Amino acid sequence: AQKITQTQPGMFVQEKEAVTLDCTYDTSDPSYGLFWYKQPSSGEMIFLIYQGSYDQQNATEGRYSLNFQKARKSANLVISASQLGDSAMYFCAMREGAYNFNKFYFGSGTKLNVKP
Amino acid sequence: DTAVSQTPKYLVTQMGNDKSIKCEQNLGHDTMYWYKQDSKKFLKIMFSYNNKELIINETVPNRFSPKSPDKAHLNLHINSLELGDSAVYFCASSQAGWSNYGYTFGSGTRLTVV
Repeated sequence: AQKITQTQPGMFVQEKEAVTLDCTYDTSDPSYGLFWYKQPSSGEMIFLIYQGSYDQQNATEGRYSLNFQKARKSANLVISASQLGDSAMYFCAMREGAYNFNKFYFGSGTKLNVKP
Repeated sequence: DTAVSQTPKYLVTQMGNDKSIKCEQNLGHDTMYWYKQDSKKFLKIMFSYNNKELIINETVPNRFSPKSPDKAHLNLHINSLELGDSAVYFCASSQAGWSNYGYTFGSGTRLTVV
């Protein structure tokens, strides 16, 4: 079974609107971390936001928020007030276990296009 | 200052050649990784080192050999390059312990085997 599933290969959103990128995960480890990364066309991987499995509140970082639904094993990324510069690939990732030397699993990514 | 730097950024080479990609991080992190991103953008771990010790070694052909001379460097050497090795290779680093920042990635090396 896939550890991370991103079901939206591509999405369009109008500038200034909000958009939700879906991510579901699969693990039996009670301790895990969920991450979102952005990969613009230039190719670098940029960390956006983190949610720990024991965190009670949804993570937020500026215009990014993570909608964490533990029972559903989902960790959707919400981008508010989309900007043209948000056009990029977005990857959801999971670290199983508490420590960063544990392996990360990445989803297949969602390509977001922001229309003016 | 670049936190995780990889060289070269682009590498075009012929089948059968041997090549190396270098990676250095100045973040003081304990753990370094190599990931491969294929043409469909799928990212898969290849290796990780913690304090110069190999801790993750995925099912990768033994033509790929990582070398970590110190905890700030993790190089990737590839022997007898094949067409299927064409991909983007990312180096990354992280603190070994608990952290909410995950990885810091390098900018990637686009390897093209012709």
